[in-house]
Amino acid sequence: NAGVTQTPKFRVLKTGQSMTLLCAQDMNHEYMYWYRQDPGMGLRLIHYSVGEGTTAKGEVPDGYNVSRLKKQNFLLGLESAAPSQTSVYFCASSYRRTGGTDTQYFGPGTRLTVL
Amino acid sequence: RKEVEQDPGPFNVPEGATVAFNCTYSNSASQSFFWYRQDCRKEPKLLMSVYSSGNEDGRFTAQLNRASQYISLLIRDSKLSDSATYLCVVNGPVTSGSARQLTFGSGTQLTVLP
Repeated sequence: NAGVTQTPKFRVLKTGQSMTLLCAQDMNHEYMYWYRQDPGMGLRLIHYSVGEGTTAKGEVPDGYNVSRLKKQNFLLGLESAAPSQTSVYFCASSYRRTGGTDTQYFGPGTRLTVL
Repeated sequence: RKEVEQDPGPFNVPEGATVAFNCTYSNSASQSFFWYRQDCRKEPKLLMSVYSSGNEDGRFTAQLNRASQYISLLIRDSKLSDSATYLCVVNGPVTSGSARQLTFGSGTQLTVLP
């Protein structure tokens, strides 16, 4: 199993450009998540999905959109990139466990720089 | 106040030392607690869950004090390979689809010196 994969690994954008980050998991997990990690801030949840066709906002959703058209894929879009979106983006997935929280498995991350 | 607070360190300790990390959380409704480990420029990985009665995994011991909303991680006989950032993680209230979001502390950096 590849686990959780992310593409691309690195990207440099100019302000105003758009891009899509792709996350894929082969563990048949119901839940998927997008986080960003900034120095001194810890990981912050951007959006998440509890199943195919569903998405929900996390702590810092502004400036991002997501889609989960297939169970194994979770896409994160930046419509008009801003320098404040320079960060490391991690995707994660987990099993569904009612009333509890299951282990989240993370992808290797995407390092995005917006100039 | 941050929902999950950790001493950022860095902690620089010699090989073989015992080191302890502390973490406090603000949401008294949290039910699940974890320590994740993150190596430099890598993704976080689960180190261990934290149970109310305390639990041990080899050289690692985790403790939870619900009354004080305090979590700790003790590493005994430190190895060079223990050098990493340790993230304290707490779950929050149930959100849509029975999912509980995780809240991550900003991490405590550990360097084990030869």
